[in-house]
Amino acid sequence: DVKVTQSSRYLVKRTGEKVFLECVQDMDHENMFWYRQDPGLGLRLIYFSYDVKMKEKGDIPEGYSVSREKKERFSLILESASTNQTSMYLCASSLTGPSSYEQYFGPGTRLTVT
Amino acid sequence: DAKTTQPPSMDCAEGRAANLPCNHSTISGNEYVYWYRQIHSQGPQYIIHGLKNNETNEMASLIITEDRKSSTLILPHATLRDTAVYYCIVRVAGTGGFKTIFGAGTRLFVKA
Repeated sequence: DVKVTQSSRYLVKRTGEKVFLECVQDMDHENMFWYRQDPGLGLRLIYFSYDVKMKEKGDIPEGYSVSREKKERFSLILESASTNQTSMYLCASSLTGPSSYEQYFGPGTRLTVT
Repeated sequence: DAKTTQPPSMDCAEGRAANLPCNHSTISGNEYVYWYRQIHSQGPQYIIHGLKNNETNEMASLIITEDRKSSTLILPHATLRDTAVYYCIVRVAGTGGFKTIFGAGTRLFVKA
């Protein structure tokens, strides 16, 4: 069974803290994605990566950075967490090329910044 | 980048067909239409995709108009477990990969 796992289901952090969200996939996928999901706004792409050490900004990259040192792992970093970053964070992965039509999603991390 | 427009919510009776519309009037010739759904507290799940021909799989059917400016996802016999948010997405080609732009989706309520 294909698997995308995220390090935590629920996380509570204080304003100003550095936050790491980890995502691991076991499908040898080239592409990995980070989204945030907020009520009424659907999913919004933060960053994506199409190869190790490669990254591209999505629609809302401000306040976030990412790291992809290994193919199976994609980390989202909040350098200094703020309350407006309270959200559900979803990681996804996919193949590249002609078969890259399906993204597999993890269960999500619900982050609360107080 | 092509954007999509979907109704915010729809109801459907259990056992009946659910027809979910999507407008994508600015779609480019090489862009595909994808459908995902998200059941409460889970990550989104891929349903189906197509370019210009109608497609069918074990979950649903996808009907794309001849001008490709709109499409309809059909769940032939909706069940209570099909209650979810359904996203219509147009795939955008990016550098070395691709971006998938999710809109707000349609919340489908299947009622007994």
